[in-house]
Amino acid sequence: KAGVTQTPRYLIKTRGQQVTLSCSPISGHRSVSWYQQTPGQGLQFLFEYFSETQRNKGNFPGRFSGRQFSNSRSEMNVSTLELGDSALYLCASSLGLPGWNTEAFFGQGTRLTVV
Amino acid sequence: KQEVTQIPAALSVPEGENLVLNCSFTDSAIYNLQWFRQDPGKGLTSLLLIQSSQREQTSGRLNASLDKSSGRSTLYIAASQPGDSATYLCAVRPGGSTLGRLYFGRGTQLTVWP
Repeated sequence: KAGVTQTPRYLIKTRGQQVTLSCSPISGHRSVSWYQQTPGQGLQFLFEYFSETQRNKGNFPGRFSGRQFSNSRSEMNVSTLELGDSALYLCASSLGLPGWNTEAFFGQGTRLTVV
Repeated sequence: KQEVTQIPAALSVPEGENLVLNCSFTDSAIYNLQWFRQDPGKGLTSLLLIQSSQREQTSGRLNASLDKSSGRSTLYIAASQPGDSATYLCAVRPGGSTLGRLYFGRGTQLTVWP
């Protein structure tokens, strides 16, 4: 059974550019969440999608956006990149269904470096 | 707002020792609690999931306990090995829904030396 797949693994971008990260959840999982991890702030929640709808959103500026497709794959986009956006971006998937195991499984992350 | 604290922040022990990592949370209305392991630069690996109605879970040399009323969980690692060196994170999912964000602690960085 394939795990959570995030692409690309590494990215180097210039300030002002935009970037799109992709996450393919475990087959059958309908909930996908995104987190930003930095040494100074730890793991911070970005947003969660379930059945193509954003269900929860963290405290990030509007430059951070996401979406989920009908096959549960998710993308997040960051526009007008800033140096402070350099981080490890992690995606987690879970079933998301009431009464079912809600164990969250994470991908290997995308390391974004903004120069 | 849920806050999760992990103590100690770092731990360095010789191989073979039994360890206890601590996690506390401020709001006892949780759906479940999950322990993760993270190796440098990598993603999170799920170790154990404890539902709010459970008191403990075991997997191999790992045992996690949950005391929801006091807002505490412990991760016990038996007979530690150098390969256990990593950062251990606990996370709680708020009660009331199977959806919603996980609240993470800052982690305990464990080093096991031969």
